Amino acid sequence: GAVVSQHPSWVICKSGTSVKIECRSLDFQATTMFWYRQFPKQSLMLMATSNEGSKATYEQGVEKDKFLINHASLTLSTLTVTSAHPEDSSFYICSASKASRINYEQYFGPGTRLTVT
Amino acid sequence: AQSVTQPDIHITVSEGASLELRCNYSYGATPYLFWYVQSPGQGLQLLLKYFSGDTLVQGIKGFEAEFKRSQSSFNLRKPSVHWSDAAEYFCAVGATVANAGKSTFGDGTTLTVKP
Repeated sequence: GAVVSQHPSWVICKSGTSVKIECRSLDFQATTMFWYRQFPKQSLMLMATSNEGSKATYEQGVEKDKFLINHASLTLSTLTVTSAHPEDSSFYICSASKASRINYEQYFGPGTRLTVT
Repeated sequence: AQSVTQPDIHITVSEGASLELRCNYSYGATPYLFWYVQSPGQGLQLLLKYFSGDTLVQGIKGFEAEFKRSQSSFNLRKPSVHWSDAAEYFCAVGATVANAGKSTFGDGTTLTVKP
């Protein structure tokens, strides 16, 4: 299989605090991980691409200082939402690609629901 | 730049009826195409994918999709819908071999199944 987990599955935090979301590939090595956000009734919007051991590549319009991404190992990437505000409330989903040039799939985590009060 | 259009925002079908969800893509070269399903509050599950070869692709849960290059389409079909198929469906296109995991998603189609 190719299982990706996220922790926590949901989190409520106060405005101004920071929240860290973990994304783990449980049974494979992920050279690349992707972070998406999804607003209610909308599609997934790619926020950033992270490669193990290097800086993340952010999509246009995504604040890199606000959404800190770290991909410290081949099985773990973290997204930290710094100084969260209510408008950051969303569903955050990560995905991971296997360390194989012939495998074009990405495997999705179950998502993390963030609510900022 | 690649793009994906799912023309139908919401589709309602009766249980047991056939289903077709439309997807049109825009991309200059051979696309890597995917269909995903998302249940409320859940992540995405891959239904099927097309990279090359046979243009009729079989997936999980009885779904299939046909790649038609001339129409730039990759429509998803199921001959007989079950109530458990009610969910959000996303079509996606990946750009290149090296970066195929960076997919562009359509806006999704919500499927409602009537008893």
